Order: sequence, then structure tokens, then C-alpha cells
Amino acid sequence: SQTIHQWPATLVQPVGSPLSLECTVEGTSNPNLYWYRQAAGRGLQLLFYSVGIGQISSEVPQNLSASRPQDRQFILSSKKLLLSDSGFYLCAWTRLAGSTGELFFGEGSRLTVL
Amino acid sequence: SQQGEEDPQALSIQEGENATMNCSYKTSINNLQWYRQNSGRGLVHLILIRSNEREKHSGRLRVTLDTSKKSSSLLITASRAADTASYFCATDPGANSKLTFGKGITLSVRP
Repeated sequence: SQTIHQWPATLVQPVGSPLSLECTVEGTSNPNLYWYRQAAGRGLQLLFYSVGIGQISSEVPQNLSASRPQDRQFILSSKKLLLSDSGFYLCAWTRLAGSTGELFFGEGSRLTVL
Repeated sequence: SQQGEEDPQALSIQEGENATMNCSYKTSINNLQWYRQNSGRGLVHLILIRSNEREKHSGRLRVTLDTSKKSSSLLITASRAADTASYFCATDPGANSKLTFGKGITLSVRP
């Protein structure tokens, strides 16, 4: 069976510090991978998606970046965090290449920037 | 931009009652999906309805889709306290690999 892992689960970081959130998927190959952000009381905002190793598409301009160094690994990074980067970050994958289908989400990483 | 918009934003019902949640969208879709999110957790997929389908059932869930009105509804019958969660609709335009989520509906089921 397929599983998705995200870590860390919670993170408190000062403004200006770097960020690295990691997501890995097990039990499948060549998944489409996604990073979403959910601000308090709001819906999900798609940040990045990837259809293959090294292929990253950005949905919104920001100081965040994403990388996919391996087929089932997706990393969200920042060199210098802003207060506005606080939120709940969710990684997700879908098994249907070229199509959306059902998304499978990780448990999320809650980031607080102080 | 968020295509799906849920209505109402919040819903509070008594255990045993039915809960109806609505979603409207703006452009054509390939499919529409409903997800559930417990507080502080990831989203869980509930049901997917394709653009050529009008109604779909899964256990106590019933989803309808009206492509002419660009709307969908999610009905939870005989609600339970454990149904308390946020519910999101998500639309798939079919042209690329991205779902667009609404802001969600907060459902509270009182025991």
C-alpha cells in the first residue's frame, strides 16, 4: 500500500531563518507531487507541483522554492522566512500521471514564524 | 484563484440529522471531488464525481453534480458526532495536473 510522510510535524522558526520541509511517498513510482499551504480558516493554496524528478512548477510568486531530488521525495525550502510564511503546509500525491485524480495528503507541517 | 466556493461556511446540526453542503464553480471541469479534514490533520478524499455523472453514493454520502448550474452538493445522512470536520470541494479542470480547492465548510455535529 502507498503511504506519504511529512516532517517535521511542527516547526517554530524566527523571521529570516531558513526552512526545509520534506515529504516522501512510499509504495508507488512516478507520482505527481504537490505542496499546498493552508492559512488559518482558509482554503488550500497550491504552491508547487511536480510531474517528475527535477520538474517543478510554481503557482505563486514567493520566497519559497521546491525541489524533487528523487522520484518520491519532494522538498519545500526557503532561504529567509517571512512572517507571512506561517501556515499549515500539506504535501500530496496522485497516482495518475497527466491527470489529477484523487489526491492523497500527508498529515501536514505546521510552521509558525515569529 | 480558488474556483470552488462552498456554502454555507459553517453548519451546525444535531446528531442524526442530515447535512447538506454546496459547492459552486466557474469554469468547465473534468471532475469534482470532496475532501474531509479533521482539525490539524491532512485532507482525506471522500468521493469523486465525473462531469458526465449526475449522482454518486458512498455509504452515508451522496454527491450530486449539475454541470449546467456549475454546482455540486454533498449530503451526509444520519450524521454522527464523528462527522465533525471541515469539508472541501475541489475541481479538476482536466487541462493540467492541478486541483483547485474551495475555502471549506466547517461542520459541527452536536451529540
